[in-house]
Amino acid sequence: SQTIHQWPATLVQPVGSPLSLECTVEGTSNPNLYWYRQAAGRGLQLLFYSVGIGQISSEVPQNLSASRPQDRQFILSSKKLLLSDSGFYLCAWRGGSDEQYFGPGTRLTVT
Amino acid sequence: GQSLEQPSEVTAVEGAIVQINCTYQTSGFYGLSWYQQHDGGAPTFLSYNALDGLEETGRFSSFLSRSDSYGYLLLQELQMKDSASYFCAVGDTGGFKTIFGAGTRLFVKA
Repeated sequence: SQTIHQWPATLVQPVGSPLSLECTVEGTSNPNLYWYRQAAGRGLQLLFYSVGIGQISSEVPQNLSASRPQDRQFILSSKKLLLSDSGFYLCAWRGGSDEQYFGPGTRLTVT
Repeated sequence: GQSLEQPSEVTAVEGAIVQINCTYQTSGFYGLSWYQQHDGGAPTFLSYNALDGLEETGRFSSFLSRSDSYGYLLLQELQMKDSASYFCAVGDTGGFKTIFGAGTRLFVKA
C-alpha cells in the first residue's frame, strides 16, 4: 500500500530564516505530487504540483520554491521566511481517480 | 474564475442526517471529491463522483449533478466522531490540479 511521509511534524522558525520541508511517498511510482498550505480555520491553498522529476508548476507567486530531485521526493523551500508563511503545510499524491492522499502535515510557526 | 461554494458551518444532532452542499465553477471538470479533516489532522479522502448520480460508502453518500454544477455529501446516523471539517474539491482542466472549497465545519451535538 501507498504511504506518504512528511517531516518535521512541527517547526518554529524566526523571520528571515531558511526552510526545508521534505515529503516522500512509498508504494507508488511516478506519482503526481502536491504542496498545499492551510491557514488556521481555512481551506487548502495549492502551492506547487509536480508530474515528474524536475517538473514543478507554481500556483502562487511568493517566496517559496519546490523541487523534485527524485521520483518519490518532493521538497518545499524558502530562503527567507516571512510571518505570513506560517501555516499547516501538507504534501499529497494523486490517486487514479483524482483523489488526493495527504501526508500528516507540518505545522510551521514563523516568529 | 474557479470557485467552489459550501456552507461555512452546519450543526446537527447525533443520529440525524445532514447534507452538505457544494456548487462549483471551474474552467474544466474532472470529478467532485469530498474530504474530511479533524482538528489538527490532515484531510482524508471520503468519496469521488465523476458521473451524475449517487455514490454510497457506508454511512456516507455523495451526489453529483454536472448540469447544475452541484453536489452534496450526505452523512447518515451521525456520530460525535463525525464532528470535523468537510471539503469539496474539483479536478481542474487537465486533471493535474484539484481545487478545494473553503470547507464546512460540522458540529454534532448529543
